[in-house]
Amino acid sequence: ETGVTQTPRHLVMGMTNKKSLKCEQHLGHNAMYWYKQSAKKPLELMFVYNFKEQTENNSVPSRFSPECPNSSHLFLHLHTLQPEDSALYLCASSQDLGSLSNQPQHFGDGTRLSIL
Amino acid sequence: GESVGLHLPTLSVQEGDNSIINCAYSNSASDYFIWYKQESGKGPQFIIDIRSNMDKRQGQRVTVLLNKTVKHLSLQIAATQPGDSAVYFCAEKVNSGYSTLTFGKGTMLLVSP
Repeated sequence: ETGVTQTPRHLVMGMTNKKSLKCEQHLGHNAMYWYKQSAKKPLELMFVYNFKEQTENNSVPSRFSPECPNSSHLFLHLHTLQPEDSALYLCASSQDLGSLSNQPQHFGDGTRLSIL
Repeated sequence: GESVGLHLPTLSVQEGDNSIINCAYSNSASDYFIWYKQESGKGPQFIIDIRSNMDKRQGQRVTVLLNKTVKHLSLQIAATQPGDSAVYFCAEKVNSGYSTLTFGKGTMLLVSP
């Protein structure tokens, strides 16, 4: 149990579907992250929220839309995805951002997304 | 941009051996480093971290060594066990603003009984 819970664990969707990934953390952290993990590639940072404010959008296509209603919850809304978007999507949290905040990120177990 | 990389994609060891996983980084401004372990079907799990004002840090059966001169980071696992089989990757963070972690590709550690 990492304190970061992601649902669903697996998702299969067609290219025209709309779905959402959910992440919840019980660690009292203020920063939350979405990553994409594809085979044989390093983790790719997608979005970062710090105290509910988005601080980074790492050139992610608009078919991915994040939402952070509070510091404990993070969503990733998916719409009109492409086959190359099939990957493991990981959520993480950390105490907060900032140059003096050298704290590890804690990850959930991810959502395995398959686009048909 | 600068990146974090790993020397070996796969490391095979016998149970009971000591394992050493290496990581090279190129950004001299990085001041915080983390090792993660990722088992099949799970997310990355924090193992140990080290700040740039240290060159060695020990945990339970694990030791991280940092050589800032050659920009090299290593993870040593003592008495490797089958349960240590996983992908290990390092991450670095630059000390500036709202910087975030940059991850390496990972090394697969295979432990034979």
